Amino acid sequence: AQRVTQPEKLLSVFKGAPVELKCNYSYSGSPELFWYVQYSRQRLQLLLRHISRESIKGFTADLNKGETSFHLKKPFAQEEDSAMYYCALPVPSGGSYIPTFGRGTSLIVHP
Amino acid sequence: DTAVSQTPKYLVTQMGNDKSIKCEQNLGHDTMYWYKQDSKKFLKIMFSYNNKELIINETVPNRFSPKSPDKAHLNLHINSLELGDSAVYFCASSEERGAKLFFGEGSRLTVL
Repeated sequence: AQRVTQPEKLLSVFKGAPVELKCNYSYSGSPELFWYVQYSRQRLQLLLRHISRESIKGFTADLNKGETSFHLKKPFAQEEDSAMYYCALPVPSGGSYIPTFGRGTSLIVHP
Repeated sequence: DTAVSQTPKYLVTQMGNDKSIKCEQNLGHDTMYWYKQDSKKFLKIMFSYNNKELIINETVPNRFSPKSPDKAHLNLHINSLELGDSAVYFCASSEERGAKLFFGEGSRLTVL
C-alpha cells in the first residue's frame, strides 16, 4: 500500500536542541511529499514541499529515496515550534490523487 | 480575504440530529476536500470534489452527504448524528489534484 508513516506520536525537546521529525513513505514511482504544521487550535498550513527545496522557519527536509524518508529537521528548536506536524503524500487512486496524511507527530519544545 | 472559510466553527448537538457544515474558498481552485480529524489527531480524507464532481468518496457512512453547488463551495450534511461523529472537520482546496492544500479553520462537532 502507498502511504506515509510517522513513527513518533510525540517528540519532546528543550529549546535550542536539534529536532528531527521522522517520515517514511511507501510509494511506487516518484513521490511528491509535503510537511504540514498545525499550531494549537489553528488550521493546518503547508510548511514545506520537497520539490521547492526551501527552508521555512529554519526547517528543512530532504527526500532520501534510498531510505524512503522525508525527515523534517531544525538545528535549534524554539518554543514557538511546538505544534502538530504531519507528513503528507498524494496517493494516486482511480485517475485522481488522495492527499494522504501520516498520523502526525506532536512536537513540544520546553523552555 | 480569508482563503478557505468554514461555518460554523463550533457545533454542539444531540445524537440523532441532522447538521450541516459549509465551506467556501475564494482561491479559484478546482478541487475541494473534506477531512475528519479525530480525538487522536488522525486526519482522514472523506470526500473530494473536482469542479463540482465527486471524485473521491472514502469509506464514509451514507449518513454523510457532500454537496457542491459550484466549484467554490463544498458543504457537508450529516444525518442521524452519532457519538462517534464528534471530531474536527476540515475543508481544504487545491489548485489541482495532488497539489498543496489550503485548509479552513476547522469545524469542531460535539455530539452529546
